[in-house]
Amino acid sequence: QVQLQESGPGLVKPSETLSLTCTVSGGSVISGSSYWSWIRQPPGKGLDWIGFIYSSGNTNYNPSFKSRVTISIDTSKNQFSLKLSSVTAADTAVYFCVRGGYTYGQVDSWGQGTLVTVS
Amino acid sequence: EIVLTQSPGTLSLSPGERATFSCRASQSVGSSYLAWYQQKPGLAPRLLIYGASSRATGIPDRFSGSGSGTDFTLTISRLEPEDFAVYYCQQYGSSPRLTFGGGTKVEIK
Repeated sequence: QVQLQESGPGLVKPSETLSLTCTVSGGSVISGSSYWSWIRQPPGKGLDWIGFIYSSGNTNYNPSFKSRVTISIDTSKNQFSLKLSSVTAADTAVYFCVRGGYTYGQVDSWGQGTLVTVS
Repeated sequence: EIVLTQSPGTLSLSPGERATFSCRASQSVGSSYLAWYQQKPGLAPRLLIYGASSRATGIPDRFSGSGSGTDFTLTISRLEPEDFAVYYCQQYGSSPRLTFGGGTKVEIK
């Protein structure tokens, strides 16, 4: 059973860069049939996909974030990371790191989520 | 850009009743690429259905999914107390590559 755990600052100042890391256990980020992704949820609202990365390092980002987002992977540490630049209060959200399968595209494993407040 | 619209926004039902959730896409979605999730307050979503109609591991058979093209449905045959939550549909494939619907909340009547 793969487990994912987000880590990073819970408070970021406006205009700065939000940085989060997801540590994967019980599975490998090198898995050939999975993608690794970040999804966020503003307080009281729905789910927004930010982007994903494959073990190859290939990425795909939501156009809504594309100019501000970078997702990277560290296979030696079994981690992947999110950087979101030029944040505003609108970026305040719970950020989830997740694993998905690209055969069907479903997200089958979720981290518990971490609240990041921009203030 | 593909948009998923879920209706209704809120369902008020009693335990034991049947719940039906609609997810409509602005353009055709490959049936293999439509999933449903359940989310309870303070928790991460949980995968219920993938490939439009396949139940995820450990999901009770009172949950079922159907549909194709632009219209998809999640049905809970008989609501249990633990089913009162928010339900999201999600597509994978069209740009943006992954999109969620706005969600339907099931509340106790």
